[in-house]
Amino acid sequence: DGGITQSPKYLFRKEGQNVTLSCEQNLNHDAMYWYRQDPGQGLRLIYYSQIVNDFQKGDIAEGYSVSREKKESFPLTVTSAQKNPTAFYLCASSIAPRIQHFGDGTRLSIL
Amino acid sequence: EDKVVQSPLSLVVHEGDTVTLNCSYEVTNFRSLLWYKQEKKAPTFLFMLTSSGIEKKSGRLSSILDKKELFSILNITATQTGDSAVYLCAEQKNSGGSNYKLTFGKGTLLTVNP
Repeated sequence: DGGITQSPKYLFRKEGQNVTLSCEQNLNHDAMYWYRQDPGQGLRLIYYSQIVNDFQKGDIAEGYSVSREKKESFPLTVTSAQKNPTAFYLCASSIAPRIQHFGDGTRLSIL
Repeated sequence: EDKVVQSPLSLVVHEGDTVTLNCSYEVTNFRSLLWYKQEKKAPTFLFMLTSSGIEKKSGRLSSILDKKELFSILNITATQTGDSAVYLCAEQKNSGGSNYKLTFGKGTLLTVNP
């Protein structure tokens, strides 16, 4: 079945540690997106990519990095520079400008 | 200042009630207005609205866009406990070339009690 797979579902980060969240899609979508969701808040855009080997910062990119080496994959690294990383992270993909479809998310917490 | 504003932020109703959720947005580079339903994990798509005054309907849910007044409403009739969720509104803008970004509101938490 086609879809978007995020892993892991739960992730714990120690102080000073970088962690990487995985996002894979087999929908043949060109565009991929990363969002952060905090309790009682909507989704805020971290990074997005319209094509392979190209990506743009969203509204809250500080402390995060991404890569887009393959069409199917758009991993997000939460670096130690992100001082408040505890949140629910959602990955999405689309054939821009059409509807964005979302993965099931990764919940990141601090140890 | 929030660019996409949803109201109310939370709502508690009884099964069978009808609810109306509101979303206001900005006009600059507007392309479309989307509604999603989020239960615990992934938001699931409900409607995409691009034209003013044309109602989109899916079962008990319907939505309409007013491009003059810059708002959209989502109606749910004969609510059921399974409608309990966060309803997210998002504005899609063309940010140049083939770049299309979504800006989300904070969502409306709907609780439907039996």
